[in-house]
Amino acid sequence: GAGVSQSPSNKVTEKGKDVELRCDPISGHTALYWYRQSLGQGLEFLIYFQGNSAPDKSGLPSDRFSAERTGGSVSTLTIQRTQQEDSAVYLCASSLGGETDTQYFGPGTRLTVL
Amino acid sequence: AQSVTQPDIHITVSEGASLELRCNYSYGATPYLFWYVQSPGQGLQLLLKYFSGDTLVQGIKGFEAEFKRSQSSFNLRKPSVHWSDAAEYFCAVGPFSGGYNKLIFGAGTRLAVHP
Repeated sequence: GAGVSQSPSNKVTEKGKDVELRCDPISGHTALYWYRQSLGQGLEFLIYFQGNSAPDKSGLPSDRFSAERTGGSVSTLTIQRTQQEDSAVYLCASSLGGETDTQYFGPGTRLTVL
Repeated sequence: AQSVTQPDIHITVSEGASLELRCNYSYGATPYLFWYVQSPGQGLQLLLKYFSGDTLVQGIKGFEAEFKRSQSSFNLRKPSVHWSDAAEYFCAVGPFSGGYNKLIFGAGTRLAVHP
């Protein structure tokens, strides 16, 4: 079946502009995660959605970052007033939501802020 | 605080040689441990995971890992490396918090394979 998809695959923007990154999870997966992978660093947890529960936003680095998940499926990560330090690969993952369920990752969106 | 350390940033091995990638973690209880692989332009793919039970875990592509509680380690091994194994490898620990499995990743080890 189809895996996690993300769009766009690459995004170049100017400092100060807003960007939206999209994630389509695997059908039937109730849990959705966003991570950020900065150059030379590991992955950093950003936000987690589970069903209709309030999302865990504890990993968002600033109030310029926000995310929503509509209808329990597609998710959008929005970065307002982008800064050069926001340049990174943004990865989305989904899982069935259980404690031991595997997280399946999408290919990521490479964001470059000029 | 939970953390994951991968001491080797870059490793180069010859094709057919054995491989061991190191991973150490800091966590207050028994962790859930994972190894993921990321090929160029690809998302992360799960190689194997450990939750409980047998401390030697078999994964895909001929990889295995051993959980050693006394050393807080979860090293990844493969007896004979193939050129297609060249990729970046990430170790992760997943504390069970609030009913879900937030992953904390190491910085990764980039593997190069010489023919």
